Amino acid sequence: SYELTQPPSVSVSPGQTASITCSGDKLGDKYVCWYQQKAGQSPALVIYQDNKRPSGIPERFSASHSGNTATLTISETQAMDEADYYCQAWGSVAATVFGTGTKVTV
Amino acid sequence: EVQLLESGGGLVPPGGSLTVSCAASGFTFSNYAMNWVRQAPGKGLEWVSEISASGGSTYYADSVTGRFTISRDNSKNTVFLHMNSLRAEDSAVYYCAKLLYSHSVSGSFDIWGQGTMVTVSS
Repeated sequence: SYELTQPPSVSVSPGQTASITCSGDKLGDKYVCWYQQKAGQSPALVIYQDNKRPSGIPERFSASHSGNTATLTISETQAMDEADYYCQAWGSVAATVFGTGTKVTV
Repeated sequence: EVQLLESGGGLVPPGGSLTVSCAASGFTFSNYAMNWVRQAPGKGLEWVSEISASGGSTYYADSVTGRFTISRDNSKNTVFLHMNSLRAEDSAVYYCAKLLYSHSVSGSFDIWGQGTMVTVSS
C-alpha cells in the first residue's frame, strides 16, 4: 500500500520558520494538501491544490511540491501554530492517503 | 454555517456491529461526495471510505473492505457508516468529511465533523 512519510516532530522558536516534509514514491504525480490538528480538535485544511490557502488561513502558511517530496512551511511561527500536521495525497479515485503526521512544538 | 455532526458511536464487543451517522447542514449535500476518516487514540489519520454525491459509487480502504458499508440519504442530508465484524483495531474517533469541490471524487476535505468515538472491547 502507498505510504507517505513525515518526520515525527519539529521544534521551532517563535518567529522562526518551520518546515515539514512529506515523502512518498512518485509523489510528484499526485495532488497534495495539508491539515492542521490542534489538541482535542478535528483536523482543519490549511493548504489545498499544492499551495492554496482556504479562507481564514494566514499567509504565513505555504507549501511546495517537487519530485517525491512535498513541504509545508510556516513562516514567523506563532504559539498558536503548535499542532499536529498531516499531508494527504491522491492520484485517483479511492486512493487517498494521509501522511504519518508531524507534531510541531513552538 | 456549513456543519457536519456525527452520532452513533459507543462501546461494542469484538465481532459486533454498529452504525454511525453524519448529519450535514449549510450546503447542498447532494452535490458533494462524502468521506469517513478515523483516528485511533494517539495515532494518525486513516481514510476509511468515500461515497459519491449520488451514492452510486462507493470506495473503501483495504482494512475495512467487506466489513464496512457506506451509504447516504440525500433527502435527509445524512451519510452513514455501517460497521460489521468489528475488531479491537477499529477502535477510533470516526470523522465524516466533505470534499472541497462539488461533483468530484477524491480530493481535499474542507469541512470535518467533531467525530464520534467507537470502542471495540469486551
